[in-house]
This record gives sequence, structure tokens and C-alpha cells, in this order.
Amino acid sequence: QVQLQESGPGLVKPSDTLSLTCAVSGYSISSNDWWGWVRQPPGKGLEWIGYIYYSGSTYYNPSLQSRVTMSVDTSKNQFSLKLSSVTAVDAAVYYCARKSDGYHPFDSWGQGTLVTVSS
Amino acid sequence: EIVLTQSPGTLSLSPGERATLSCRASQSVSSNYLAWYQQKPGQAPRLLIYGASSRASGIPDRFSGSGSGTDFTLTISRLEPEDFAVYYCQQYAGSPLGFGGGTKVEIK
Repeated sequence: QVQLQESGPGLVKPSDTLSLTCAVSGYSISSNDWWGWVRQPPGKGLEWIGYIYYSGSTYYNPSLQSRVTMSVDTSKNQFSLKLSSVTAVDAAVYYCARKSDGYHPFDSWGQGTLVTVSS
Repeated sequence: EIVLTQSPGTLSLSPGERATLSCRASQSVSSNYLAWYQQKPGQAPRLLIYGASSRASGIPDRFSGSGSGTDFTLTISRLEPEDFAVYYCQQYAGSPLGFGGGTKVEIK
């Protein structure tokens, strides 16, 4: 059974780059799936950030596209998120998740990691 | 971009009662690519329903989804204590993927 675990700094300074990694276990990241990120500001709803295929193909939310970069490391069975020029509005719980190739919802999620933006 | 509007914002019910949650899309969701998630405090969302009406693996049959086009419904036939949570709909028919604002089902 696939398990996902986010990791990364819990505190990021304004204007810096947020960097998170999602380690995948019990499942190969090179399978026919897409690996994504979703965030949730405290007390608010869910926002899709984007997803990546093991080959490196990506889809990003247009509202964040200019600041988002995703990458995958098949040797470590993990994928990563970078969000540049962060501000207070980027403070959120960040979840990594998996969806099957094609039109499918996210069916497996990490537990989430809280990122605070403050100097 | 498809915008999803969920109603009501909060539903106050007692255990054993029936819950009916609505999700309305700003334009038709092709092939009913509409999912429902449950989220409890401090936890990640959990997939309940996909394709508007198919239950995900391990989901009890008291959860059911219906609807098509722009109007979708999640029904919980008899609320169990563990069902009090926030529920989100999501369309995955096109980019950007979008979520509704959520409906909180609370104990009356």
C-alpha cells in the first residue's frame, strides 16, 4: 500500500523559496501515476498546486505557475515542490498526493506539513 | 475554469439522521469527473466518491453520490459519530483542478 510523507522546513522567510519533499514508500514512483501537491491555509479550503509524472511531465495551477517548480527523483522514490517568492498568503498545510494516470482524483495522501511564512 | 460552490456551509444534524450535501459547478463537469472527500481535524482528506457516484475502496455504503452536469449531491444515509467532519467536492475534468469551499457536518 502506497504511503506518502512530506518533509521540509516548517518556517520560511518572506520572499524566500519554499522547498518540500514527498517520500513515497510501498510503491514505485515510476508507476503509471501522477504525483501532486495540494495546500490548505489554516481554517480554509483546499487548493491544487500541481502534479508531476515520473518522466518529468508537469501540470501546474495557472494561478501559481510562475512560482512553482516540481521535480521527481526516481532513484530516491520521491518528488519535490519549490514555490518561490513566498508571502504570508502561502502559509498553509501542504499535502502530497497520488492520482492514477487519466481522469482520476487523488486517492492517497500524505499527512501534510505546516509551513509558516515569517521573518 | 470550473468553480464549485458547496451548500450549505454548515449542516447541524444528530447521529442517525440523513445528511444531504450539495455541490454546484459553474459549468458542466464532463463525464461526471466529480469526487467527494471527507476531512477530519488534523487529518488529510480521504477520498469517498469518484465519478460522481462510485464509492472508493473501503467506504461504507451509507455514503452515496449522485448527480450529473452541474449539480451533484453527497448523501450520508444515517450519520455515525465518526461522520462529523468537513466534506469537499472536487472536479478533475480539466485544469485547474478545483475544490469546493466545503460543508461542515456538525453534531446538533
